[in-house]
Amino acid sequence: QEELQQWGAGLLKPSETLSLTCAVIGGSSSAYYWTWIRQSPGKGLEWIGQIYHSENNNYNPSLKSRVSISMDTSKNQISLELRSVTAADTAVYYCARAGMGATRDTWFDPWGQGTLVTVST
Amino acid sequence: DIVMTQSPDSLVVSLGERATINCKSTQSLLYDSNNKNYLAWYQQKPGQPPKVLIYWASAREIGVPDRFRGSGSGTDFTLTISSLQAEDEAVYYCQQYYTTPSTFGQGTKVEI
Repeated sequence: QEELQQWGAGLLKPSETLSLTCAVIGGSSSAYYWTWIRQSPGKGLEWIGQIYHSENNNYNPSLKSRVSISMDTSKNQISLELRSVTAADTAVYYCARAGMGATRDTWFDPWGQGTLVTVST
Repeated sequence: DIVMTQSPDSLVVSLGERATINCKSTQSLLYDSNNKNYLAWYQQKPGQPPKVLIYWASAREIGVPDRFRGSGSGTDFTLTISSLQAEDEAVYYCQQYYTTPSTFGQGTKVEI
């Protein structure tokens, strides 16, 4: 079973850009849909967006104007950028793989360990 | 977006007893062409990511104990833990993957 390891800055100021990276260990990033999900006490689990084959992206309409998801297949890494963050973006951010291979509409398995991102002055 | 609503928000169950969690969606999750319900259940313990238990509303993930059972169709679904064990204390979430964006229920906390 492949493993997802994620990292990125955990403390941001309002208006800065959130950047996180997720590495696929023991598998290939090119064969699946990859998703970013965040979890906050106020909004629960929220689907941010997904990517497939580096060029096929879908984003949550509520975040679409500020989010970018990209993939580097040579490094087996998926990245998330969220611009102009506010306190409302404070959450634990997870990367996750499509549970059903190269299928857009699916459950998520496995998940990364999560990265707590706090936005504060 | 499809809204997923779980009930109850929390419940306390004795060891060996049954726990029942409900999940309701604002539109049907049954896809006519393949007769599958696009619903999954997750378990989340403190400090860990969610772990999938059930997908297609009733298919148990490999390695998940058979005391976990998913049922339901259309807009109403249930996760039943038939004989609660200490390690089952966690928060449980339902998720619809019928349409993008995928959405989750608010979670149900199960305590012993």
